[in-house]
Amino acid sequence: DTGVSQDPRHKITKRGQNVTFRCDPISEHNRLYWYRQTLGQGPEFLTYFQNEAQLEKSRLLSDRFSAERPKGSFSTLEIQRTEQGDSAMYLCASSPLQGSSGYTFGSGTRLTVV
Amino acid sequence: GDSVTQMEGPVTLSEEAFLTINCTYTATGYPSLFWYVQYPGEGLQLLLKATKADDKGSNKGFEATYRKETTSFHLEKGSVQVSDSAVYFCALKGVSNFGNEKLTFGTGTRLTIIP
Repeated sequence: DTGVSQDPRHKITKRGQNVTFRCDPISEHNRLYWYRQTLGQGPEFLTYFQNEAQLEKSRLLSDRFSAERPKGSFSTLEIQRTEQGDSAMYLCASSPLQGSSGYTFGSGTRLTVV
Repeated sequence: GDSVTQMEGPVTLSEEAFLTINCTYTATGYPSLFWYVQYPGEGLQLLLKATKADDKGSNKGFEATYRKETTSFHLEKGSVQVSDSAVYFCALKGVSNFGNEKLTFGTGTRLTIIP
């Protein structure tokens, strides 16, 4: 197992375009999280999946954002009609259902909206 | 809601100096506490954790003690190295009504060690 993988590592897009990111968690991890990190700030929670069910969404996740985790495996995060304020690092993390350990984070997808 | 207040940076130290990065928190109940480290161009890595009061987490020479009475989890290292240069994040893990053990992070402290 190579940990949590995110693709792409970098994405530059024009304002108004749609973008989609992918996250492959550690295979035996039931929980999957998306966070957003802007420059000089700590990561902020966006949404959480337990298996295929999206159980919680932050108020940060506007209607332009949608996340899926079909079959409880990989997850996608789509941003429609991107705005310059969406420029950030999007981090995915996974964790097992039981236990007191922290998450395992991926390396992130850096989005730049021009 | 839950919050983490972290010592602002950046912090610049000479090699072999003593390091302290302060972290205090506000949370309901008894959260677990973590320090994560982010090296340039990489994702967050768990550095150490503590799950209950008076626990001491330690790893790679770094230590932090969960102090419930002062709601603090300060990070310390006795002798820093150039390779410790990174951004350090304090975080707490609470539990929401949905069983979501989400992490709440501080703003991060950038540490630079000069030879």
